[in-house]
Amino acid sequence: AQSVTQLDSQVPVFEEAPVELRCNYSSSVSVYLFWYVQYPNQGLQLLLKYLSGSTLVESINGFEAEFNKSQTSFHLRKPSVHISDTAEYFCAVRTQGAQKLVFGQGTRLTINP
Amino acid sequence: SAVISQKPSRDICQRGTSLTIQCQVDSQVTMMFWYRQQPGQSLTLIATANQGSEATYESGFVIDKFPISRPNLTFSTLTVSNMSPEDSSIYLCSVVPLLDNYGYTFGSGTRLTVV
Repeated sequence: AQSVTQLDSQVPVFEEAPVELRCNYSSSVSVYLFWYVQYPNQGLQLLLKYLSGSTLVESINGFEAEFNKSQTSFHLRKPSVHISDTAEYFCAVRTQGAQKLVFGQGTRLTINP
Repeated sequence: SAVISQKPSRDICQRGTSLTIQCQVDSQVTMMFWYRQQPGQSLTLIATANQGSEATYESGFVIDKFPISRPNLTFSTLTVSNMSPEDSSIYLCSVVPLLDNYGYTFGSGTRLTVV
């Protein structure tokens, strides 16, 4: 069965600093990978996803993630964070042939001024 | 993308009672799922809601505790039965739109507190 591990439960950074949120997955078959963001007291919003093709995917608000098959990772990065990026970030995986998403434990990103 | 209306948005319930949560989508979807997010935790899949047939439950979740209905392509309900304080969580509906097989969309959730 597939699993997702987010290595950091909390990541505090200063505003305008770079950030990387780590995600590793385990699966014996091909995967589709997702990052979701949950702002305080709100639902989940899709940030970006990898389905196929270019291993680097980008979101409209400056985040990017790179699919690394050899390291079974899908880390999320942003070169310069803003206070408004404060949220919980979830990595999720769907394996080929399955329909459901399996989520990691989440990483709480806190931006300090 | 699909727009989901999930009701109620929050509720406080007495232990031993039941609560039914509704998920209405503005367009046809292929898949509908119900997740639970316990305080400070990640999302755990409860079940896949199947149209016109019994839901498919994940390990640790049973139909008697979480009965689910899905009478058509755009509507589903989740009932949390015989509630205890341990059921206090956020319950989320998720759908896969008919025209986007990877466009998993989530409702805003139902915040349930059992007292």
